[in-house]
Amino acid sequence: QVHLVESGGGLVEPGGSLRLSCAASGFPLTFSDYYMTWIRQAPGKGRDCLAYISGGGGHIKYADSVTGRFTISRDNPKNLVYLQINSLRAEDTALYFCARLRGTGGRYYFDYWGQGTQVSVSS
Amino acid sequence: EIVMTQSPATLSVSPGARATLSCRASQSVSNNLAWYQEKPGQAPRLLIYDASTRATGIPSRFSGGGSGTDFTLTISSLQSEDFAVYYCQQYNDWPTFGQGTKLDI
Repeated sequence: QVHLVESGGGLVEPGGSLRLSCAASGFPLTFSDYYMTWIRQAPGKGRDCLAYISGGGGHIKYADSVTGRFTISRDNPKNLVYLQINSLRAEDTALYFCARLRGTGGRYYFDYWGQGTQVSVSS
Repeated sequence: EIVMTQSPATLSVSPGARATLSCRASQSVSNNLAWYQEKPGQAPRLLIYDASTRATGIPSRFSGGGSGTDFTLTISSLQSEDFAVYYCQQYNDWPTFGQGTKLDI
């Protein structure tokens, strides 16, 4: 049974930083065989795919809206995916999900998701 | 960015009835469309991918259709556990999601 658990969210002041983690378990093959992604949903707004990372970590892509403040990475021996967010702004307040990607050729959907971790940015 | 528009925002139906949810893309996405179900406090669940292929373990009462810009998710004979929010997502380009349709009793 595939299981994804996000952590690391919380209340942060504007300008601060956070590192979100996603712990994966139950993958039928090895964790490093799968692309992973981070997606967020801000209150009253749509769901945004922020970034994805290949199984080996060598292929990373970010949404155009991610202005260099976000960094996705992974630790395969530990079955973890990370999202580092710097210079946090009020508009980063959202529920952040990690998910596993499926598909090919840059066309991806998400077959397993975590329940999300809440990030709130406020002074 | 491809904009996904779902309708209606809320759909009120009775258990045992049939529900049809719509999703429209601002430009063609071929058949690169997925549907998800989401319940409070639970992880989103993949229902349909490639517009009409059911994901593993999804009951046959869920069916997807359409291609290009117009898509539907049909749930025949609604069960109590089907009342949830449903999202569509295109993956012909950078993934984008619809705003969701809440299926209400």
